[in-house]
Amino acid sequence: AQSVTQLDSQVPVFEEAPVELRCNYSSSVSVYLFWYVQYPNQGLQLLLKYLSGSTLVKGINGFEAEFNKSQTSFHLRKPSVHISDTAEYFCAVTAGGGADGLTFGKGTHLIIQP
Amino acid sequence: NAGVTQTPKFRVLKTGQSMTLLCAQDMNHEYMYWYRQDPGMGLRLIHYSVGEGTTAKGEVPDGYNVSRLKKQNFLLGLESAAPSQTSVYFCASSYWGVDETQYFGPGTRLLVL
Repeated sequence: AQSVTQLDSQVPVFEEAPVELRCNYSSSVSVYLFWYVQYPNQGLQLLLKYLSGSTLVKGINGFEAEFNKSQTSFHLRKPSVHISDTAEYFCAVTAGGGADGLTFGKGTHLIIQP
Repeated sequence: NAGVTQTPKFRVLKTGQSMTLLCAQDMNHEYMYWYRQDPGMGLRLIHYSVGEGTTAKGEVPDGYNVSRLKKQNFLLGLESAAPSQTSVYFCASSYWGVDETQYFGPGTRLLVL
């Protein structure tokens, strides 16, 4: 079984500042990793995913994440945030095959302050 | 191409009532999933299906049943609703091996009184 820990439930950041949302996972097997974003009263939208290969993954809206196997981490970063980035961000993991669904972290609420 | 749709968007039930949530996808995906989202809990998997006619239990299956009679539809049933089932329910689908991404519907907000 896998588990995901998102270390911060809320992250306040000033507009145009950089941000990092932290995610650590636990698994006894190789995993695939995902970041999803949820805007208020909407479903989840994929930001980016790591399946294999390069450990630096680029996603939509200027976000990127780095897979670190030794630290079992998959932190999400953006160099300069905008008001429109205000949302809930979820890190998720699956062990592969896709059949058994995703295991999600509890989410991080990104609050952009003007 | 509507993607993943869910019906209804919002529902209020009394304790003990039953209802069915409908999820439909038009992407010819083999895998479909039902999750529930509760404040501070993230999303948790209720049931999933790897193909027409197959279903399996996820992390929190108690009190729910599912059916996948057609490839494009995945139904979630509550036989006797309880206040603990007040939640937002999300359906998702994927075509693992081709596109390792789960696509989510807009959600159904359920309130059980």
